[in-house]
Amino acid sequence: EDKVVQSPLSLVVHEGDTVTLNCSYEVTNFRSLLWYKQEKKAPTFLFMLTSSGIEKKSGRLSSILDKKELFSILNITATQTGDSAVYLCAVAPSNFGNEKLTFGTGTRLTIIP
Amino acid sequence: GAVVSQHPSRVICKSGTSVKIECRSLDFQATTMFWYRQFPKQSLMLMATSNEGSKATYEQGVEKDKFLINHASLTLSTLTVTSAHPEDSSFYICSARVRTGVSYNEQFFGPGTRLTVL
Repeated sequence: EDKVVQSPLSLVVHEGDTVTLNCSYEVTNFRSLLWYKQEKKAPTFLFMLTSSGIEKKSGRLSSILDKKELFSILNITATQTGDSAVYLCAVAPSNFGNEKLTFGTGTRLTIIP
Repeated sequence: GAVVSQHPSRVICKSGTSVKIECRSLDFQATTMFWYRQFPKQSLMLMATSNEGSKATYEQGVEKDKFLINHASLTLSTLTVTSAHPEDSSFYICSARVRTGVSYNEQFFGPGTRLTVL
C-alpha cells in the first residue's frame, strides 16, 4: 500500500522565518510528487516534481525531490502570515489506469506576526 | 484556466435524506474526476474515481450504493450521498485531472462541500 508521511505535523514560527517541510514516501510505481496548500477550503496546487535534484521555485517557495531517498522538501523563506495553512504532499503512480493520488496527513504551518 | 466548481458549498440535512453534490470543470474537459472526503484535521482520502461514460471505481471500504457517482458529461460529475447519517458529515472535495503532457497527473480541486447531517 502506498504511503506518504509528512513532518512535522505542525509548526509555529514567527513572520520572516524560513521553514522546511518534509515529505517521505513509499510507492510501488512512482511518477510524481505534488505539493498543495490548503487553507480553509480545497487544496491549491503548488508544485509537481518528477525528477531528482531539480529545484522548482515559485517566489518564496521552492521544492526539491530525492528519488533515491524517497523524500521531498518544501521550503518557504521570509514567511508571511498568509503562508499559514496546511501543506499537503501527495504522490502519483505511474501505472496506466491508476491515477489516484495518495496524500500525507499534512503539516499545519502557523505564522505568528 | 483549470477551474473546478462545486455546488453547494455547504449543506445541512436531516438524517435519512439524500444529498447531491455537483462538480464541474469550467474551462476544460475532464475525462476523469476524483471524489475525496476529508474529516477534521485529517488528510484527503480518495473515495472514488469517476470516468465519463463509465462506472466509477470505488476505493476499498467505500460503499458504492451509498455514495452514488454519475459522470454524465465531460464537465460534470455528481456525488449523491444516499440516506445520509451523522457519520457522513464531512468535507467532500472533487478534483479533475488535466491531461496536458507532463501535467498528466496534475489535479485541480474544487472548493469543497461541507456536509452536516443532523
